[in-house]
Amino acid sequence: ELKVEQNPLFLSMQEGKNYTIYCNYSTTSDRLYWYRQDPGKSLESLFVLLSNGAVKQEGRLMASLDTKARLSTLHITAAVHDLSATYFCAVVLTSGTYKYIFGTGTRLKVLA
Amino acid sequence: DSGVTQTPKHLITATGQRVTLRCSPRSGDLSVYWYQQSLDQGLQFLIQYYNGEERAKGNILERFSAQQFPDLHSELNLSSLELGDSALYFCASSDQTRNEQFFGPGTRLTVL
Repeated sequence: ELKVEQNPLFLSMQEGKNYTIYCNYSTTSDRLYWYRQDPGKSLESLFVLLSNGAVKQEGRLMASLDTKARLSTLHITAAVHDLSATYFCAVVLTSGTYKYIFGTGTRLKVLA
Repeated sequence: DSGVTQTPKHLITATGQRVTLRCSPRSGDLSVYWYQQSLDQGLQFLIQYYNGEERAKGNILERFSAQQFPDLHSELNLSSLELGDSALYFCASSDQTRNEQFFGPGTRLTVL
């Protein structure tokens, strides 16, 4: 069974600091997605990583994918308060059916 | 605005009742996904439809059922409701190339 684990589950950081969220998954997949969710709101797509070595950047966030290590990272550079949210990674099983499995989520709080 | 619509936004009902949640995907998207998000269980994939046919099944209870209609909108039916069914229910749709999911605003179900 495909498992997707994120760490840390909770992250409290000061503005201006850098940090990395990790997403590990247990079976072969070459597609990984990152989403952001604000409290009480829906999920917003951040990044789509479709191949080994893929790197995407948007503002202060950068995501990468290593399919051999079954690992994706979401790096936060010089955090600002507006980045406070819950971040989810998701992996899709591409053999047979396109079944999405979401990670547990990382709740990020950026302190001013 | 993701382009995915869900109705109703809020639903309050009693145990034992039956409700129907509705979702309209983005224009051109053939896939629809349903998720349940509760505080203690995170984001759980329920079921996926592709162009009217069930494509993948997740942790969907037997009391729950879904379908996708010829106009591609989808309905999630929840019956014999229990207190534990109280949650946010999200619908998402995806394109066929990157399988990037776009989430609707969700339906908050409260079972009293």
